Amino acid sequence: AQTVTQSQPEMSVQEAETVTLSCTYDTSESDYYLFWYKQPPSRQMILVIRQEAYKQQNATENRFSVNFQKAAKSFSLKISDSQLGDAAMYFCAYRTYRDDKIIFGKGTRLHILP
Amino acid sequence: AAGVIQSPRHLIKEKRETATLKCYPIPRHDTVYWYQQGPGQDPQFLISFYEKMQSDKGSIPDRFSAQQFSDYHSELNMSSLELGDSALYFCASSSRQFEKAFFGQGTRLTVV
Repeated sequence: AQTVTQSQPEMSVQEAETVTLSCTYDTSESDYYLFWYKQPPSRQMILVIRQEAYKQQNATENRFSVNFQKAAKSFSLKISDSQLGDAAMYFCAYRTYRDDKIIFGKGTRLHILP
Repeated sequence: AAGVIQSPRHLIKEKRETATLKCYPIPRHDTVYWYQQGPGQDPQFLISFYEKMQSDKGSIPDRFSAQQFSDYHSELNMSSLELGDSALYFCASSSRQFEKAFFGQGTRLTVV
């Protein structure tokens, strides 16, 4: 069975600092996508970044970047220059090429300290 | 840019009543997904449609049904509502060509 594990229920970071959120997953598939979604207090689910498993290069979106280690089945999110607006629940997620469903981790609540 | 539109945003129903949630995908998106997120929980996949046909099914109760119409909007019908159905229901849409799923703002259903 495919699972996504986020071992950090909550994290805090000082504004303007860098923080890394951890995620591991388990799958027997070779082709899949990995995502990080952000859910602020408004509860909107916002796609932060996406990685295709066949790509060795780590995805980057402005201040957000990932460290994708396929062999270790690890997919961490690094947020640089943290801003107050980054405070949210962050979900790591996975889906195969074949299926529609996205499997989410339990989430990491990120607090930004001014 | 247009986003996924869900209606209503909030809904209060009594036990055993029926609810219908609507989802209007981003234009030219051909796939719609429904997710249920209980309080303090991660979203759970319910069902998806591609080109108006059911494409994948998750943990959707038999009391729930859904369909995608010719204009690609989708409706989630929920009957015999139970207190445990109280949750945030998300709809998401994507284009099979690009695979990124974009979520609507959700419908908060409260069953009393």
